[in-house]
Amino acid sequence: DTGVSQNPRHKITKRGQNVTFRCDPISEHNRLYWYRQTLGQGPEFLTYFQNEAQLEKSRLLSDRFSAERPKGSFSTLEIQRTEQGDSAMYLCASTRGGDSGNTIYFGEGSWLTVV
Amino acid sequence: ELKVEQNPLFLSMQEGKNYTIYCNYSTTSDRLYWYRQDPGKSLESLFVLLSNGAVKQEGRLMASLDTKARLSTLHITAAVHDLSATYFCAVDISWGRDDKIIFGKGTRLHILP
Repeated sequence: DTGVSQNPRHKITKRGQNVTFRCDPISEHNRLYWYRQTLGQGPEFLTYFQNEAQLEKSRLLSDRFSAERPKGSFSTLEIQRTEQGDSAMYLCASTRGGDSGNTIYFGEGSWLTVV
Repeated sequence: ELKVEQNPLFLSMQEGKNYTIYCNYSTTSDRLYWYRQDPGKSLESLFVLLSNGAVKQEGRLMASLDTKARLSTLHITAAVHDLSATYFCAVDISWGRDDKIIFGKGTRLHILP
């Protein structure tokens, strides 16, 4: 399968711990997005990369959240000092980019539960 | 700030009926996406609409885009139970310092047999 891959798929952590999620986009997709989704809500934009450059970051993202895409391939999303309100599904998506209006493909998501 | 509003948010309908989901957005964009999400699952791409007047159809679903009215519709024809899911529209804004895709809250569709 050559879709967007995320891991871990599920993570339970104690409040105050740090967690890191990894996203492997579809090969040759230069655009990568991170979203957060809570139950009953639409995906909420977190951040966006074009190749290794982080071009956009939501103002809703506190300084406890950081994302990287060091070589323009896989990306990581780290949450430091987790809080219960961080419990959500974290979605990664990728697309080829450009003006051709390519489909944006989502991974299966990483579920985070902070206890 | 871009707002994307879907309505209705909840829809329960009988099999065989037709219905339309509406997606309004508040700023200029000529690129809009429709996604389907099943409970506990990720998002499945349905349509990418790229220009004013774009219309795409797949099976019982048809999507259209009116960029002047800032409106997209997802029309369901002769609904079947398998179409029960949550449907999201998402608007692409790429101008100035903004470059993001914003989702609506979703329309939870329940089709009764």
